[in-house]
Amino acid sequence: EDQVTQSPEALRLQEGESSSLNCSYTVSGLRGLFWYRQDPGKGPEFLFTLYSAGEEKEKERLKATLTKKESFLHITAPKPEDSATYLCAVASGNTGKLIFGQGTTLQVKP
Amino acid sequence: GAGVSQSPRYKVAKRGQDVALRCDPISGHVSLFWYQQALGQGPEFLTYFQNEAQLDKSGLPSDRFFAERPEGSVSTLKIQRTQQEDSAVYLCASSPRRQETQYFGPGTRLLVL
Repeated sequence: EDQVTQSPEALRLQEGESSSLNCSYTVSGLRGLFWYRQDPGKGPEFLFTLYSAGEEKEKERLKATLTKKESFLHITAPKPEDSATYLCAVASGNTGKLIFGQGTTLQVKP
Repeated sequence: GAGVSQSPRYKVAKRGQDVALRCDPISGHVSLFWYQQALGQGPEFLTYFQNEAQLDKSGLPSDRFFAERPEGSVSTLKIQRTQQEDSAVYLCASSPRRQETQYFGPGTRLLVL
């Protein structure tokens, strides 16, 4: 059964304090690993898609990496506006439905 | 361009009422997904459409849940005889084709009293 586990559940950082969020997954044939950002009261906002081990993608202060068993979302010198819940998901089955982790809620204090 | 839109944004229903939730996907997107998100959890898959065909409804929690997409664009998720455990955010997502990146709407927050 395809499964995604994220850690930590919650993370508090000071502005400028870099850190990483973890996403461990088990899937029968990876068809894509996705990172989304979700702000309170809003739908998930797409950040990155990774398809194969060793792949990396960057956007502003965020960098996503992928191995055969996990993905990391690195946040460099975060700002308060980076505060949100970050969701990791894998595409599963023939339809590509997403299997999500429970999310990591990030709070960045000024 | 316009993203995925959902209506209503908020819905309060009395237990036992029927509700209908609407999703307008991005124009031209073939694939449409519905997810349910409980408070503090990640979204969980409900059902999938490719154009007007409902190809996967394995995530629908009971036969009180019904979804349709009759013309291959707008989709409606209907919940009959709502129960308190149906309270959640219902998210709609669309993608250009199967297995491609999904773009989410803002969700409908359903509260069943």
